[in-house]
Amino acid sequence: DIQMTQSPSSLSASVGDRVTITCRASQSISSYLNWYQQKPGKAPKLLIYAASSSQSGVPSRFSGSGSGTDFTLTIGSLQPEDFATYYCQQSYSTPPFTFGPGTKVDIK
Amino acid sequence: QVQLVQSGAEVKKPGASVKVSCKASGYTFTSYGISWVRQAPGQGLEWMGWISAYNGNTNYAQKLQGRVTMTTDTSTSTAYMELRSLRSDDTAVYYCARVVVIITNNWFDPWGQGTLVTVSS
Repeated sequence: DIQMTQSPSSLSASVGDRVTITCRASQSISSYLNWYQQKPGKAPKLLIYAASSSQSGVPSRFSGSGSGTDFTLTIGSLQPEDFATYYCQQSYSTPPFTFGPGTKVDIK
Repeated sequence: QVQLVQSGAEVKKPGASVKVSCKASGYTFTSYGISWVRQAPGQGLEWMGWISAYNGNTNYAQKLQGRVTMTTDTSTSTAYMELRSLRSDDTAVYYCARVVVIITNNWFDPWGQGTLVTVSS
């Protein structure tokens, strides 16, 4: 099975900061990488699919990049509503479609 | 709008079974799959498996093989996930999500609101 790692596991940032979260796959997954945002007590929400395509309605400050084994989610200017946990997920080839362990973004 | 609405919270004893439902609306049910994901308290997301609402084909996570069954009822646009022989470490919030497939890529959108399943004696 493909394993996913994320770094950092948590970070503290201020409103207006540029935030970068990294996701790494244990083998090449081309661009089969999705990003989700989860707020406490809520279901995850799709932000980015196919590594760099933004889901409709997602603010433009969220962007994704990467291919192969290394991927990045960037929040251009952190807003109060962006404090949440972010998960990457690989959807390469056959299941299981594993998730990364998550990155919690909280207020500095 | 596209929506998935799940059944309510459940409390079960060890060894029992639970069946969670996920009713879809706002789209053609048989044109997409449904995946199930669970989240233990304070933990990350664990993919459990998925089912094609078109033909009923399933694929389950290896660790749950033999204990989980996913089904659909196309007449009511509802997906079901049954987990048997429950253990305390099955305590989690269970989510369903629509699987969007474009060529060979897929992603989960939207998600149901979640169903808390508590396993306790």
